[in-house]
Amino acid sequence: EPEVTQTPSHQVTQMGQEVILRCVPISNHLYFYWYRQILGQKVEFLVSFYNNEISEKSEIFDDQFSVERPDGSNFTLKIRSTKLEDSAMYFCASSRDGRIEAFFGQGTRLTVV
Amino acid sequence: SQQGEEDPQALSIQEGENATMNCSYKTSINNLQWYRQNSGRGLVHLILIRSNEREKHSGRLRVTLDTSKKSSSLLITASRAADTASYFCATEAMGDYKLSFGAGTTVTVRA
Repeated sequence: EPEVTQTPSHQVTQMGQEVILRCVPISNHLYFYWYRQILGQKVEFLVSFYNNEISEKSEIFDDQFSVERPDGSNFTLKIRSTKLEDSAMYFCASSRDGRIEAFFGQGTRLTVV
Repeated sequence: SQQGEEDPQALSIQEGENATMNCSYKTSINNLQWYRQNSGRGLVHLILIRSNEREKHSGRLRVTLDTSKKSSSLLITASRAADTASYFCATEAMGDYKLSFGAGTTVTVRA
């Protein structure tokens, strides 16, 4: 069964460093998302991406964040200068269209020290 | 906020029993989805119910939706130890293409 894959599964980085989280969405999907879950808290929407551009972003998704679909398969989330409060599980999701099931990856646990 | 809120926060049942959890939300929705998350792992999609549907089944799962009360319930019948996980409802608001998640219900199934 097709699945969303994320790499790495766990990343430890120093405060102020840039990180890139990678995702390979399901191949025939058109909508892509990033969510995050701070330990013990709710899953929060960060950004949605459709037709090679951001369609919506939350207040969390400030200038430190960016997304890219550099080729036909990968979807990346970059955090330019990480802060301690960026420590969270980051989930990539994809959907064939915007009104049906979104399938999530296993997540990347980001730890900023 | 559109976020769904689950109730109860935690549930402990014996294997073989049914588990019921509820979700309430605030505004009109396109659909409501239920996800499962095993500890520290990814979100597994369980079931989607559209705003014009009242009930859906998938295996041992039964989901209901009452749009007049802005609430949904997830029933897991004949629970197994492997059902131990956190369960989240997520709503897609009208005009939106993103999901708003609730805080989840942690279900523990005792063998």
